Amino acid sequence: AQSVTQLDSQVPVFEEAPVELRCNYSSSVSVYLFWYVQYPNQGLQLLLKYLSGSTLVKGINGFEAEFNKSQTSFHLRKPSVHISDTAEYFCAVRSMNTGFQKLVFGTGTRLLVSP
Amino acid sequence: DAGVIQSPRHEVTEMGQEVTLRCKPISGHNSLFWYRQTMMRGLELLIYFNNNVPIDDSGMPEDRFSAKMPNASFSTLKIQPSEPRDSAVYFCASSLDSDQPQHFGDGTRLSIL
Repeated sequence: AQSVTQLDSQVPVFEEAPVELRCNYSSSVSVYLFWYVQYPNQGLQLLLKYLSGSTLVKGINGFEAEFNKSQTSFHLRKPSVHISDTAEYFCAVRSMNTGFQKLVFGTGTRLLVSP
Repeated sequence: DAGVIQSPRHEVTEMGQEVTLRCKPISGHNSLFWYRQTMMRGLELLIYFNNNVPIDDSGMPEDRFSAKMPNASFSTLKIQPSEPRDSAVYFCASSLDSDQPQHFGDGTRLSIL
């Protein structure tokens, strides 16, 4: 089984400042990793995913994440945030085993960007 | 491109009533997922369909919950009878296949009084 820990429930930051949202996971097998964003009253949108290859993954809206296998982490970063980045961000993992494997989500981190 | 369409967006009903949530997946997607999101439990997978067949319903809370997918373009999640603890946001998602990224609808916010 897999589990995902997002230690920060809320991250306040000023506009144009850098931000890092932390994600750690636990799994006995290799996993794929994802970050989703949820804007108010909307569903989740895929920001980026790590399937294989380079450990630095670039996604939409200027976000990137780095997979660190030894630390079992997949932290999300953006060098300069905008007001419009205010949203809830979810880290998720899925086992690489064959057959249907559930997406396991973290509890989310609310990013609050203020002027 | 039309995304995943869910209806209704909001539902308020009294305890004991039957509730039906609807979902139209993205055309061409063969995998459909129903999720429930609450503050206490976060995002939980309720059921997964592949090619209209339920593959994994281990997340369905109890017999009061049922889901169907009569064809590739429509699915329902039914709660009968509803209880206040069923209040949550219910999301439908679809993907090209079970291992492809999932596309989420905007959800149905359900309140059971």
